[in-house]
Amino acid sequence: QQQVKQSPQSLIVQKGGISIINCAYENTAFDYFPWYQQFPGKGPALLIAIRPDVSEKKEGRFTISFNKSAKQFSLHIMDSQPGDSATYFCAHFGNEKLTFGTGTRLTIIP
Amino acid sequence: EAEVAQSPRYKITEKSQAVAFWCDPISGHATLYWYRQILGQGPELLVQFQDESVVDDSQLPKDRFSAERLKGVDSTLKIQPAELGDSAMYLCASRGDSYEQYFGPGTRLTVT
Repeated sequence: QQQVKQSPQSLIVQKGGISIINCAYENTAFDYFPWYQQFPGKGPALLIAIRPDVSEKKEGRFTISFNKSAKQFSLHIMDSQPGDSATYFCAHFGNEKLTFGTGTRLTIIP
Repeated sequence: EAEVAQSPRYKITEKSQAVAFWCDPISGHATLYWYRQILGQGPELLVQFQDESVVDDSQLPKDRFSAERLKGVDSTLKIQPAELGDSAMYLCASRGDSYEQYFGPGTRLTVT
């Protein structure tokens, strides 16, 4: 079964800093790599996603970088804000299934 | 903005009782998913519907769990009998023609 490995498990970043979360996927047919943001007691919300035919996608302060040869992709949050404090999940959508990483609990401190 | 609706938001039930969750996907979304999320972990797929048909229920514990989407719109997930280990967040998601899956707010189940 397809697995997605995510790191770090938790991350503390100072306000205004850059938050970086990394994920690695296995060698399989790949279609789409989304990132979800989840606040306590809420469902995951789609944040940003990338197709494997591009190496980078940017939306506001959020950027996904995709390294096809290394089978890795990462999320960068620029100018991190206290409101970004949440759990972030990377995921891989392939063969009609969405497989999630283990999650990263991000805390932005003043 | 269209959203996935779920109810109830919270459910407390005793072990061996039956419990049911309801989901209404975004209008026009043919694909519907039920996930289970244990605290501190990522969501795990339980069952996938395409319209009214089950596409994948390989991870659904069929001895106690059942799911239906009779008219291809809303869906119900049932657990009977509930066990202590079923305590989790149950999430519903839907997808249209694109790859994006949109999640509802979830139902937090506590089995005592």
